[in-house]
Amino acid sequence: DTGVSQNPRHKITKRGQNVTFRCDPISEHNRLYWYRQTLGQGPEFLTYFQNEAQLEKSRLLSDRFSAERPKGSFSTLEIQRTEQGDSAMYLCASSQKGITEAFFGQGTRLTVV
Amino acid sequence: DQQVKQNSPSLSVQEGRISILNCDYTNSMFDYFLWYKKYPAEGPTFLISISSIKDKNEDGRFTVFLNKSAKHLSLHIVPSQPGDSAVYFCAASGGDDKIIFGKGTRLHILP
Repeated sequence: DTGVSQNPRHKITKRGQNVTFRCDPISEHNRLYWYRQTLGQGPEFLTYFQNEAQLEKSRLLSDRFSAERPKGSFSTLEIQRTEQGDSAMYLCASSQKGITEAFFGQGTRLTVV
Repeated sequence: DQQVKQNSPSLSVQEGRISILNCDYTNSMFDYFLWYKKYPAEGPTFLISISSIKDKNEDGRFTVFLNKSAKHLSLHIVPSQPGDSAVYFCAASGGDDKIIFGKGTRLHILP
């Protein structure tokens, strides 16, 4: 399977705990995006990378959120001190620079209890 | 501030008829527009796109129309099939390749 892969698919955590999600993009893609989707909403932009460089971080992303793409391949999204409002589907997508179409993984559904 | 707007939360269309999904945008810097389809518990799937230098792009049963002066685009599906029942997201990008999505329209294809 050469699509975008996200792990885990589901995560249930207690409020206050830290969680980390992983995204493996399509291998030749140098752009990587993180989005968050809640019920009845479209995907909300969180951040994106060109290779290992983080190009932009949404103001939606509080200081509790951090994303990395250390070698320009896979990426991680960490949420510290989770809150119930963090419960959402976290989506990762990748694309090739200069080609706008981005391809999504199946997402990680986070439930904070 | 919602830069990409899909004002119809849902739409029901008879199988075999035309489905028309609409989208408006506010940012005049957007120069590339995309439609994605999403089934429950899956990530969005890219469907079709259009550059701002065109006013129409067609791919099989799917056609996207762009009216730049009105800042409006639409997706036509002809003929509609049961498998088209899904949520459709309109999205836009403005040169930096950052993709901004609308809230989506749920399409129901009726037998």
